[in-house]
Amino acid sequence: EIVLTQSPATLSLSPGERATLSCRASQSVTRYLAWYQQKPGQAPRLLIYDASNRATGIPARFSGSGSGTDFTLTISSLEPEDFAVYYCQQRSNWPLTFGGGTKVEI
Amino acid sequence: EVQLVESGGGLVQPGGSLRLSCAASGFTFSNYAMTWVRQAPGKGLEWVSSISESGGSTNYADSVKGRFTISRDNSKSTVFLQMNSLRADDTAVYYCAKGGEANLRWTFDSWGQGILVTVSS
Repeated sequence: EIVLTQSPATLSLSPGERATLSCRASQSVTRYLAWYQQKPGQAPRLLIYDASNRATGIPARFSGSGSGTDFTLTISSLEPEDFAVYYCQQRSNWPLTFGGGTKVEI
Repeated sequence: EVQLVESGGGLVQPGGSLRLSCAASGFTFSNYAMTWVRQAPGKGLEWVSSISESGGSTNYADSVKGRFTISRDNSKSTVFLQMNSLRADDTAVYYCAKGGEANLRWTFDSWGQGILVTVSS
């Protein structure tokens, strides 16, 4: 099973600041990594697929990078609505796995 | 607009069974793989099971293998999760999720609102 480790667990920032979230895989997932955003009481929302491709309707302030085992989600300038929990997910191997999440808080 | 609506959740005793349904609309259901993902209270996301477009291929997390069965009825645009021998650690919100196009079938571009399953005596 591929283990995805997200860091930090919590990121305390202010609106307008840059957020950098990390996801490290226990073995290579090539570029088969997605990022999701989840707000309290809501279902997750796809942000990024295949490491660096923004999903439909996702603002340009969200960007993804990386390959192999190390991936980064960057939010260039935090908006109030971006404070949420972010998860990475790999589709390289079965079982599909999610990271433990990073909470971005004010 | 894609809509996924889960139903069938609730309170069940340990060892009991439940059948979750997810009714889909707004897309050609038979063209897309479907997946169930769960989230225990206050915890992260856990992949549970996935099914291919035709239903001919299924995969399960080790934690549910042999107890849960995923299936689909393309004529009714519905995916199911039959859950047997339920345990307390199956307590979670269960989401159904739609796969993406073609090789993105195991990336989830739309999600239902989730349904709570509580396993307790």
